[in-house]
Amino acid sequence: NAGVTQTPKFQVLKTGQSMTLQCAQDMNHNSMYWYRQDPGMGLRLIYYSASEGTTDKGEVPNGYNVSRLNKREFSLRLESAAPSQTSVYFCASSELWQGQETQYFGPGTRLLVL
Amino acid sequence: AQSVTQPDIHITVSEGASLELRCNYSYGATPYLFWYVQSPGQGLQLLLKYFSGDTLVQGIKGFEAEFKRSQSSFNLRKPSVHWSDAAEYFCAVGGMEYGNKLVFGAGTILRVKS
Repeated sequence: NAGVTQTPKFQVLKTGQSMTLQCAQDMNHNSMYWYRQDPGMGLRLIYYSASEGTTDKGEVPNGYNVSRLNKREFSLRLESAAPSQTSVYFCASSELWQGQETQYFGPGTRLLVL
Repeated sequence: AQSVTQPDIHITVSEGASLELRCNYSYGATPYLFWYVQSPGQGLQLLLKYFSGDTLVQGIKGFEAEFKRSQSSFNLRKPSVHWSDAAEYFCAVGGMEYGNKLVFGAGTILRVKS
């Protein structure tokens, strides 16, 4: 199993450009998540999807949209990138065990917005 | 609201010395607690988790953590640190009251002196 995969690994954008970050998991997990990681702030939840066909906002959703394409794939879109969106983006999926989700993370996408 | 505090931004230990990384949480009900490790340029890897039962939890790579409800703490320990343990460590708390989403601490960077 590849686990959680993310593409691309690195990306440089100009302000105002758009892009989609891709995430896929092969663990048959129902829930998927998008986080951003910034120095000194840990990981902050952008959006999540509890199951195929549903998405919900997390802590920092502004400037982002998501699509749960199917059970395996969950994409994150920046419609008009801003320098404040320079960050490392992590996708995760989770399995339910004893009533609690345990999350497993992808390798990350490093995004620089100029 | 739930929150997680990791008081130490950086910790430096000598190889072979013992390690304790601190984590304090604020949560109204019984928390679900996690420790993740992030090596440079990598995603987050689950070290261990606590849901219920024995308050001393064993994880991978020789790590353990102890849940102390009276102190609202979930500190991570290792008896003898190896140079390969140098990484950033994140504590996270989840719970059913919050839809099983996780809240992460800001992280502790571990440096290992040879």
